[in-house]
Amino acid sequence: GAGVSQTPSNKVTEKGKYVELRCDPISGHTALYWYRQSLGQGPEFLIYFQGTGAADDSGLPNDRFFAVRPEGSVSTLKIQRTERGDSAVYLCASSQGGNTIYFGEGSWLTVV
Amino acid sequence: DQQVKQNSPSLSVQEGRISILNCDYTNSMFDYFLWYKKYPAEGPTFLISISSIKDKNEDGRFTVFLNKSAKHLSLHIVPSQPGDSAVYFCAASVGGANSKLTFGKGITLSVRP
Repeated sequence: GAGVSQTPSNKVTEKGKYVELRCDPISGHTALYWYRQSLGQGPEFLIYFQGTGAADDSGLPNDRFFAVRPEGSVSTLKIQRTERGDSAVYLCASSQGGNTIYFGEGSWLTVV
Repeated sequence: DQQVKQNSPSLSVQEGRISILNCDYTNSMFDYFLWYKKYPAEGPTFLISISSIKDKNEDGRFTVFLNKSAKHLSLHIVPSQPGDSAVYFCAASVGGANSKLTFGKGITLSVRP
C-alpha cells in the first residue's frame, strides 16, 4: 500500500489480557517508530527500529511492553497483562534516510 | 516535564485571515522542529519543518518561524481556509527529521467560513 498500515484499527480487551498490534510500514522504509497518544495529549515516543534492531526503546513504559521487527519490515507491538491505563491510540510511523516520518492511522486500544 | 509546550488549547479565526500557532520548548539540545496536522480518526500528517540553523521556512500558505534565543517557534497559515480546521502538533527532535520526536499537546484550530 501507499501508506503505513496498522491493524487492528480498534481493539477492546479485558484487563489482564495480552494484546498484539501490527504495523506494516511504507515499502522500503528502514526506520519504524511506535508512539502512543492518550486523550488530550500529543503522541508519546515508545520505540524506534532501524532495520531489525531496536535503536532506541527508552519510551517503553515498563516490561509489559515489547516490540519486534524480525525481518526489518512489519513490526508487532506486544502488551502483556493489559491495564486500563494502557487505553490509548497506538501510532506507528516509518521513514527512510533521514526524511519525513509518516504516520499510520493508529490502533485504538480500549482496556475494560 | 513537558519539553514541548503548546499553551493555547484552541484557536478560532475567520476564513482568509492569518492563523498563528505558537510553541515553546525547554530542551536546548533540540535541533529540528516540525509541525504535524491531525484530523479526527486519522494519523498525524507532516506539514512543515525547520532546522535550528534557520529562522524561517516557507511552503505555500505555511511558514514556520524559529526564535532559538526565546526557545519559541510559530506556524503561520495565511490565508486560512476551512479545510485547515484540525489539531496541530508541534514536535522537536535531537539529531534530525528521523530521530525520536517529542510532541506538544496540540492546538485545535477552527477556521470559520
